[in-house]
Amino acid sequence: DAGVIQSPRHEVTEMGQEVTLRCKPISGHNSLFWYRQTMMRGLELLIYFNNNVPIDDSGMPEDRFSAKMPNASFSTLKIQPSEPRDSAVYFCASSFLRTQETQYFGPGTRLLVL
Amino acid sequence: GQQVMQIPQYQHVQEGEDFTTYCNSSTTLSNIQWYKQRPGGHPVFLIQLVKSGEVKKQKRLTFQFGEAKKNSSLHITATQTTDVGTYFCAGPGSGGSNYKLTFGKGTLLTVNP
Repeated sequence: DAGVIQSPRHEVTEMGQEVTLRCKPISGHNSLFWYRQTMMRGLELLIYFNNNVPIDDSGMPEDRFSAKMPNASFSTLKIQPSEPRDSAVYFCASSFLRTQETQYFGPGTRLLVL
Repeated sequence: GQQVMQIPQYQHVQEGEDFTTYCNSSTTLSNIQWYKQRPGGHPVFLIQLVKSGEVKKQKRLTFQFGEAKKNSSLHITATQTTDVGTYFCAGPGSGGSNYKLTFGKGTLLTVNP
């Protein structure tokens, strides 16, 4: 299996621009997580999907952030408009959620907003 | 909400020395997971501990889960340069939030060859 796939791996954009991050989870996994990692705040859960349905979006910072999962093999995280404080590494992770299953992380998207 | 604390934040050792990182949760955990993140990489699952007082070994790595299931430790014997990275512990939420892993801030290990 190829593991969790994320694109792009790096993104540099200017403040105010729209940013779309993409994720393909491991085939057969029914749970998908978006995380943000910064030095200051560590790993933060942004949103959790189960069977393509958003279950918990309490970690989404504000209305500028939105996430979708149109099918079991694809998810997007969108930031519109982007701000410099959004600069971070964004990870997508997937798991087959029975009970507290381990999570498999993608390589991440390193986002820099100028 | 649930908090997971890790100490130390950083640890620098000479190759061959031992290393230990400690994890403490504000709540009792059903299990605890450990992940390793290499510099520039992504978190990779190492192990899960479930039972009170459980001890598991992976080659030079020894993982322990406390009797009260609120703390855990990772010990590396005779560190090697390949052990460099950040080690995170993570605990699931309780009840309906058991999908949600709360990660500690991690311990960054550097090894001087």
